[in-house]
Amino acid sequence: NAGVTQTPKFRILKIGQSMTLQCAQDMNHNYMYWYRQDPGMGLKLIYYSVGAGITDKGEVPNGYNVSRSTTEDFPLRLELAAPSQTSVYFCASRRLAGGQETQYFGPGTRLLVL
Amino acid sequence: DQQVKQNSPSLSVQEGRISILNCDYTNSMFDYFLWYKKYPAEGPTFLISISSIKDKNEDGRFTVFLNKSAKHLSLHIVPSQPGDSAVYFCAAPTGNQFYFGTGTSLTVIP
Repeated sequence: NAGVTQTPKFRILKIGQSMTLQCAQDMNHNYMYWYRQDPGMGLKLIYYSVGAGITDKGEVPNGYNVSRSTTEDFPLRLELAAPSQTSVYFCASRRLAGGQETQYFGPGTRLLVL
Repeated sequence: DQQVKQNSPSLSVQEGRISILNCDYTNSMFDYFLWYKKYPAEGPTFLISISSIKDKNEDGRFTVFLNKSAKHLSLHIVPSQPGDSAVYFCAAPTGNQFYFGTGTSLTVIP
């Protein structure tokens, strides 16, 4: 049971380049999330999904896109990278268990846009 | 609008003493709260939670207290250990989303 995995761990992009951050979970959770964390800040929600084929915007969706074709995978796409997207990105899945719920986070992807 | 707030960015405590981390919230609809711990270069990990029907939940050295009238919760770590040095986030789920505080960086001094 690997939990939530993310690749790559670190990436440098040039302005205007595109990339996909991969996220996968093996816990059969329906809910999945993408957050970004800037220095000294909390976690800001980019996009989330409540199941395969269903996605919705969070607090800071501009410049990103997501898809959810399977329960396991929730990739995050950056189309035209900008310096403002320099951040650490965390993917999470959510276990709902009758009042005892939590999110499980991946190790993060550190992205630097130059 | 920051619905969950942690007003202390950092806290330093001597090993063996009590660490108290605070969190305030504004949404009275929140009925469940969680604390996460985050080490550098790792993702947050779940630490302890509390439902609004309780005012206290304990798990080993970690206790979370909830004061609904004040919209305030706190995490107590007793005794503090150097391995507890990390960033601690409080969080509250509502609907499909979680709201996180900005975190408090705890340093436990040996």
